[in-house]
Amino acid sequence: RKEVEQDPGPFNVPEGATVAFNCTYSNSASQSFFWYRQDCRKEPKLLMSVYSSGNEDGRFTAQLNRASQYISLLIRDSKLSDSATYLCVVRSFQKLVFGTGTRLLVSP
Amino acid sequence: IAGITQAPTSQILAAGRRMTLRCTQDMRHNAMYWYRQDLGLGLRLIHYSNTAGTTGKGEVPDGYSVSRANTDDFPLTLASAVPSQTSVYFCASSEGTRFDEQFFGPGTRLTVL
Repeated sequence: RKEVEQDPGPFNVPEGATVAFNCTYSNSASQSFFWYRQDCRKEPKLLMSVYSSGNEDGRFTAQLNRASQYISLLIRDSKLSDSATYLCVVRSFQKLVFGTGTRLLVSP
Repeated sequence: IAGITQAPTSQILAAGRRMTLRCTQDMRHNAMYWYRQDLGLGLRLIHYSNTAGTTGKGEVPDGYSVSRANTDDFPLTLASAVPSQTSVYFCASSEGTRFDEQFFGPGTRLTVL
């Protein structure tokens, strides 16, 4: 079993839609959680950290469920520019573990 | 401010050749990292450096070496390239420990034939 698992997608949604991704992790001792965004053939960039109480940044909401060992990312009012691959990242002990990413395609 | 630069952008290399991928950051970050990204496998850590003068092995270090002579530069060397090292290589840095937000360079696409 992979340490961090994501549905690869793609998730195809129209502009304005709400879409949510989940990511599961296997190490219950994982300490920090992040969502990174990666555009095609570009480098990953931090989208947001995920806090235990959940956090929101504009149209993006991240939540953590330690009991079920998953984190989620909710995107409201999707824009064409949200089309990208979203990487779930988990810190376990002394390393960051990256998921393989979930691809989102937002269409007009 | 450039952030992190990597060179070359892409390279085709014959198996058995030696190759050094360059990485330079101008943010005065203490920690730097090298990852490879392969389809279906996500980003995997090759080597890291928490501060100038120190390096450590990541998840997939075999066949690669690094050095950290100063804060800004963190080159990755393939001593004798093999086709399985065909990948996209990303250099990254973070301000403090390896657990801070990591900033990535634009990547180097390497093909080993």
